[in-house]
Amino acid sequence: DTAVSQTPKYLVTQMGNDKSIKCEQNLGHDTMYWYKQDSKKFLKIMFSYNNKELIINETVPNRFSPKSPDKAHLNLHINSLELGDSAVYFCASSLRDGEGYEQYFGPGTRLTVT
Amino acid sequence: AQSVAQPEDQVNVAEGNPLTVKCTYSVSGNPYLFWYVQYPNRGLQFLLKYITGDNLVKGSYGFEAEFNKSQTSFHLKKPSALVSDSALYFCAVRGSSSNTGKLIFGQGTTLQVKP
Repeated sequence: DTAVSQTPKYLVTQMGNDKSIKCEQNLGHDTMYWYKQDSKKFLKIMFSYNNKELIINETVPNRFSPKSPDKAHLNLHINSLELGDSAVYFCASSLRDGEGYEQYFGPGTRLTVT
Repeated sequence: AQSVAQPEDQVNVAEGNPLTVKCTYSVSGNPYLFWYVQYPNRGLQFLLKYITGDNLVKGSYGFEAEFNKSQTSFHLKKPSALVSDSALYFCAVRGSSSNTGKLIFGQGTTLQVKP
């Protein structure tokens, strides 16, 4: 009964390749997020979708493209991978509201670009 | 601009002693404040939050945090530390006027509890 799941857990690929990470939540939430955690463990939001609508789009290279086919899924596609893209990518979900609902995180996808 | 500061990269305590992990924030309007814990090679787990009301909030695993508006702080505390509490702790904030749910995270504090 995993709440937020991501696939794959590990991803090793070469520079210039294109790869995707998938995320699914079964919590009934309407908002999903992508975060990047760098080697120093710093966590930064990249994107957020609410009911398939993009609501947060931080300063992220155009090579990163999120897609949300429905409110339970949020995928991240990365084109022309670079060494600096190596990081752990976390998906999260929550209810969007004015009451401050907490976000629930997936286990992460460790991307290594060689 | 919203920001969160965790002034200590690492906190070391002996098992059984009280622990405090510090967090200060800057946000427009009223803050929504959160603490998360990350164990090695795992995702973040929600511990507790302050939205409104009582300044002392209680959360999972015996943790609590005190909201102090005048000092813009939200320190995480536990009366008696366990070795299993050793992990990376993140404080996060969003403004109550934000309609996107965007959280700003601190840089994280590693808690080391020694037996």
